[in-house]
This record gives sequence, C-alpha cells and structure tokens, in this order.
Amino acid sequence: QVTLKESGPALVKPTQTLTLTCSFSGFSLSTSGMRVSWIRQPPGKALEWLARIDWDDDKFYSTSLKTRLTISKDTSKNQVVLTMTNMDPVDTATYYCARMRGSYSGFDPWGQGTLVTVSS
Amino acid sequence: EVVLTQSPGTLSLSPGERATLSCRASQSVDSTYLAWYQQKPGQAPRLLIYGASSRATGIPDRFSGSGSGTDFTLTISRLEPEDFAVFYCHQSAYSPYTFGQGTKLEIK
Repeated sequence: QVTLKESGPALVKPTQTLTLTCSFSGFSLSTSGMRVSWIRQPPGKALEWLARIDWDDDKFYSTSLKTRLTISKDTSKNQVVLTMTNMDPVDTATYYCARMRGSYSGFDPWGQGTLVTVSS
Repeated sequence: EVVLTQSPGTLSLSPGERATLSCRASQSVDSTYLAWYQQKPGQAPRLLIYGASSRATGIPDRFSGSGSGTDFTLTISRLEPEDFAVFYCHQSAYSPYTFGQGTKLEIK
C-alpha cells in the first residue's frame, strides 16, 4: 500500500523559510519513473503545482515560485523535502505531496495535506 | 505555461442525471498526459481518470473521460449522491504542470 504524509509547521511568520517533509512508504524514489510533487491549495481556491523531483534527481519548479523553492530527496529515509523562502500571508494554504509513476499516470495517491498559515 | 480552463464553474444537477464537465487547454496537450481529480470538502484530491480516458483503480464505470488536442471532457453517466464535489483537470505534458480552476458539481 502506497501512502504519503506531509509534516511541518502549522504557523510561520512572514519572511521566514518554510520547510515541509513528505514521508512515504510502499514505493522507492530510486525506482525508474517514480516522481514526487508538491501541490498547494489556498483556502477555497484551486490547486497549484509547486515542484517535482524524479527518481534520477531531476528537479522542476513552478515558473512563478522557482526563485523561492528548493526540492530535495533522501532516498534512504523515503522522504522528500520542500523549502520555500520569504513566506507571505498569500502563501497560506494546504500543502500536499503526491506520487506520479511516469508523467502519464496522474498524481496517485496524495498525502492528507498539511495546513500552513502565514501570520505574524 | 499551459492554461487549463474548466467550464462551467458550477454545475447544479440532481442525482440520476448526467454530468458533463469541460477542460480546454491553451495549447494542444497529448491526451496521454491529461488527468481528472475529484475533491470533496476537507479531503485530498483523488485521481479519477488518467491518460484522458483511463479510469484509476477503484473508480466506478459511471465516470468516463474523453477528448484530444485542446478539448477534454469528464462525464458522469448517472450521478450518485457521493459524486457531488469539485473536479479538476491537470496536464503533465509540459513543465510546469498545471491544473484547471475547478468545476463545482452541486446538488440541485
């Protein structure tokens, strides 16, 4: 059974750096074709893709956020970490991680999500 | 980047009716890389359709997807009470990946 779970602070202050961890089980990110993405959703709004890391350590970022994002993986720990610098109240959202097997399979499954609020 | 525009924004239907949701891309998308998700309140999205027309594991056959190029459709043949939710299309043909803005399917 494949599962993913996000963890990180529920509250961050403006200008701080957010660090989120996606811990997963049931698959290996060293397997060819495996990918993990981060996606966020502000309250009441649509989904926004943020970043992706592949089994071969290729990394891809949202065009509008790429200067603030860094994605990395620890294959031995089955974890993917996302950092986002210079947090702002508009970054308040539920942050999800999700697996994709190749670019054609869709995100499946998703983690439960973690709500991050940016406020002083 | 590829912009996905979903219509309608809100669809009001009754159980038993047929639902047709549209997703239009700003440029041609290989149907291999078009997916649909369902999201219920307080829950993470769930994959319904991948490759434009393939149902994900465990998805009932009342859900179907079709389309090619720039126009894609999600159809729910006979609505069940548990189908009412928000639906998103998504493309993974081009980086950055993008999602549509969603269609809310509500009970009439």
